[in-house]
Amino acid sequence: EDQVTQSPEALRLQEGESSSLNCSYTVSGLRGLFWYRQDPGKGPEFLFTLYSAGEEKEKERLKATLTKKESFLHITAPKPEDSATYLCAVQARGGSTLGRLYFGRGTQLTVWP
Amino acid sequence: DARVTQTPRDKVTEMGQEVTMRCQPILGHNTVFWYRQTMMQGLELLAYFRNRAPLDDSGMPKDRFSAEMPDATLATLKIQPSEPRDSAVYFCASGLDGTLYGYTFGSGTRLTVV
Repeated sequence: EDQVTQSPEALRLQEGESSSLNCSYTVSGLRGLFWYRQDPGKGPEFLFTLYSAGEEKEKERLKATLTKKESFLHITAPKPEDSATYLCAVQARGGSTLGRLYFGRGTQLTVWP
Repeated sequence: DARVTQTPRDKVTEMGQEVTMRCQPILGHNTVFWYRQTMMQGLELLAYFRNRAPLDDSGMPKDRFSAEMPDATLATLKIQPSEPRDSAVYFCASGLDGTLYGYTFGSGTRLTVV
């Protein structure tokens, strides 16, 4: 069964303290891996799509990387406004799960001044 | 910016009543997802459509939930009869299948069944 596991569940960082969030996945043929940010009371907001192992994407203080089994979201010198829940999702390439977008439970990031 | 619009924003209803949630996808998007989010389960996929055709609704309790796309500008999710365990935030997301730009989520409908 296709599965997405994110760790840690919660992460507290001091402003400027860099760290990484992990998303490990098992899927029968990866079509795409997505990272989203979700603020309280809002819908998830799209950050990145990664398609193949070795691919990297960057946006401001965030960098996402992908291997065959997992993805990392690196946060460099975070600021309090980076506090949010970060969600990872995978989309399968084919078979009975074609097109389904499966989400992990997320990592709740808190950055304190 | 183009947005996915969901209505109502909040809904409180009594157990046994019918609930209808609506979603207006972004114009031109051909894929629509319905998700339910709770603290216990996170984001659960309920159903999704491509070009208005239902591709998968295996995540929905079939006896009480139904999802439709009567036209390209409207997706609906109905619960009849509603139960307290249906209390959750329901999200709709739309996108162009196969693009680099991910899927855009609406702000959600917060449903409380008492």
